[in-house]
Amino acid sequence: AQSVTQLGSHVSVSEGALVLLRCNYSSSVPPYLFWYVQYPNQGLQLLLKYTSAATLVKGINGFEAEFKKSETSFHLTKPSAHMSDAAEYFCAMNWGGGSNYKLTFGKGTLLTVNP
Amino acid sequence: GAVVSQHPSRVICKSGTSVKIECRSLDFQATTMFWYRQFPKQSLMLMATSNEGSKATYEQGVEKDKFLINHASLTLSTLTVTSAHPEDSSFYICSAIRGTGPDTQYFGPGTRLTVL
Repeated sequence: AQSVTQLGSHVSVSEGALVLLRCNYSSSVPPYLFWYVQYPNQGLQLLLKYTSAATLVKGINGFEAEFKKSETSFHLTKPSAHMSDAAEYFCAMNWGGGSNYKLTFGKGTLLTVNP
Repeated sequence: GAVVSQHPSRVICKSGTSVKIECRSLDFQATTMFWYRQFPKQSLMLMATSNEGSKATYEQGVEKDKFLINHASLTLSTLTVTSAHPEDSSFYICSAIRGTGPDTQYFGPGTRLTVL
């Protein structure tokens, strides 16, 4: 079955420290992978996406993620955390391609940034 | 960029009443929209796929008679929660597909439903 696992429901970092949010997937076919950010009481904003092109994907706000097929991972990183990065982050997967637009979401990771 | 709006952003209703939530694609046409439900501190769960001009496709376990979806135009889908109960209280988020491919899904800002 297709699934997305986010390790760690809550990650806390200091301002200026490295941010690492983990995401692993299970899919029998090459997936498309996404990271979304959600601020309180708001919808989802796309941070970045992997769609079978370059394995290292750069997104907005200084975030990037690397697709590693051998590890079935798509971890999100940012070299230096900012207070404004505090939010909920969701990893999502699409495995159907073509006309299948359905996304499967991980459970989310709440990122807190300490001053 | 692609903009998706939802109305209302918040709604409080009494138990037993029905509530309609609108999802609009403001600057593009969307033949396909999705409705998600998000419980506090949990992930998004896909409820249904809304296709313009045809019946919605519901995910397993979602009551189609309780959550009525209408996609009457290329820019509007509505979700009606019928005979709402407190357990229906949740954050409802819609998304719309612009173009082709799974990486063209744009999300609305969500609607907070509270049923008293």
